[in-house]
Amino acid sequence: QVTLKESGPVLVKPTETLTLTCTVSGFSLSNVGMGVSWIRQPPGKALEWLGHIFSNDEKVYRTSLKSSLTISKDTSKSQVVLTMTNMDPVDSATYFCARIRVNMMVEAFDIWGQGTMVTVSS
Amino acid sequence: DIQMTQSPSTLSASVGDRVTITCRASQNIITWLAWFQQKPGKAPKLLIYKASSLESGVPSRFSGSGSGTEFTLTISSLQPDDFATYYCQQYNSYSPPFTFGPGTKVDIK
Repeated sequence: QVTLKESGPVLVKPTETLTLTCTVSGFSLSNVGMGVSWIRQPPGKALEWLGHIFSNDEKVYRTSLKSSLTISKDTSKSQVVLTMTNMDPVDSATYFCARIRVNMMVEAFDIWGQGTMVTVSS
Repeated sequence: DIQMTQSPSTLSASVGDRVTITCRASQNIITWLAWFQQKPGKAPKLLIYKASSLESGVPSRFSGSGSGTEFTLTISSLQPDDFATYYCQQYNSYSPPFTFGPGTKVDIK
C-alpha cells in the first residue's frame, strides 16, 4: 500500500525557515517512474503547486518561489524534504505532498498525503 | 504562466442528476489535465488524468473529456458521496507551474 505522510512544525514565526518532511512507503524514491510534489492550500482557498523532485534528483520549482524554496530527498530514509525560507503570514496553509507517476513525462499526481497545517504568526 | 478557470464556481444538484463542470486553460495544454475531488479537511483525490483517463478505483460515473483549452468533468448520476469540491489541474511538463483551477463546489440542492 502506497502512503505519504507530512510532518513538521504547526507554527513558525515570520522570517523563519520552514522545514517539512514527507515520508513515503510502498514505493521507492529511486523508482524512475515516480516523483514527489509539494502542494499547499491556504484556508478556504484553492490548491497551489510548489514544486517537485524526480528519481534522478531533477527538481522543478514554482518560479515565484524559486529563491525561497528547496526540495530535496533522502532515498535511504524514503523522505522528501521541503525547505522554505523567510516565511510570511501569507504562507499559512495546509501543505500536502503527493506522488507523481511518470511515464516519459508527468502522468498524474496519484496518491496524496493527509496534509499538515502550518501557521505563520508571531 | 498558464491560467486555469472553472465554471460554475458553485453547483447545486440533487442525487441522480447529471453534472458537468467546465475547465478552461489560457493556453493549449493538449490533454495534460487532471481532475481531483476534495472533501473538507481531506486531501484531494485523483479522479481523471490525461483529460479522459479514469484513475483506477474511481467509479465509472465520472468521466472527462476535452483537449487544447477546454475540458469537462461529467458525473453521470450524482451520488451522496459526490458532494465535494472539484479542481482541475494542468500539468504540461513544458509549461510549469502546474496550476490548479479555482474549484467548483457541488452541494445539495
